[in-house]
Amino acid sequence: KQEVTQIPAALSVPEGENLVLNCSFTDSAIYNLQWFRQDPGKGLTSLLLIQSSQREQTSGRLNASLDKSSGRSTLYIAASQPGDSATYLCAVGEGNTGGFKTIFGAGTRLFVKA
Amino acid sequence: KAGVTQTPRYLIKTRGQQVTLSCSPISGHRSVSWYQQTPGQGLQFLFEYFSETQRNKGNFPGRFSGRQFSNSRSEMNVSTLELGDSALYLCASSLREGQYEQYFGPGTRLTVT
Repeated sequence: KQEVTQIPAALSVPEGENLVLNCSFTDSAIYNLQWFRQDPGKGLTSLLLIQSSQREQTSGRLNASLDKSSGRSTLYIAASQPGDSATYLCAVGEGNTGGFKTIFGAGTRLFVKA
Repeated sequence: KAGVTQTPRYLIKTRGQQVTLSCSPISGHRSVSWYQQTPGQGLQFLFEYFSETQRNKGNFPGRFSGRQFSNSRSEMNVSTLELGDSALYLCASSLREGQYEQYFGPGTRLTVT
C-alpha cells in the first residue's frame, strides 16, 4: 500500500530565504508526482507535475525533483515571499489499466515572515 | 477556459440524510476524481471516473457512490450521513487517466449535525 510522507510538517522562514520541502513514497511504481499548494479553506492549485520518466520540473521560483529509485521528491522554493505562505501537498499518481488514483501526503505548512 | 466548478459550495445536513454533490470538469477533460479532506485524515481518494465508468475506488463504505455523465460532469452521493462525513469534498479533472495533470475545484464544505 502506497504511503506518502512529507517532512517537515510545518516550517517558518524569513522572507527571502531559499527552502526545500521533502516528500517520500514507499512504492516506486508511480505514474507521476504532483506538487500542489492549498490556501486555508480553498481548493488545491497545481504547481508542478513530474512524470515518472522525468527527473525535475521548473516553474519560476519553483523547482521539483524526482528520484523514483529512492522514493523521494523535493520542492525547492527560491527567494521565498509572504505570498508563498500556504500548505504544500505532494501527491503520487499510481494505477494501471484497471484504474488510476492519487495518494496525498499530509502536507507541509509554510509560513514566510515579512 | 473555465476551471473545475463544484456545487454547492457549502452544505449543512442532519445525520441520516443523504446528499448529492456536483462537479463540472474543465471542458475537454474526461477523467474526474473525488477526494475527501478532513483535519484528521488529510486528503483521501474516493473514486475516479473515466468515460462514464468508475475506474477505481478508495477505501470508503458503500454509502459513498458516484457517477459520471456523458458530458463528463460527475456527481457523488453520500447516503445515511454520519457526523464523521463532515469534510471538504474536492473534485479534480484531468484530460485523461494516468499521467495527466489534475486540476482541482474549490470544494464543497459539508457539515453534518
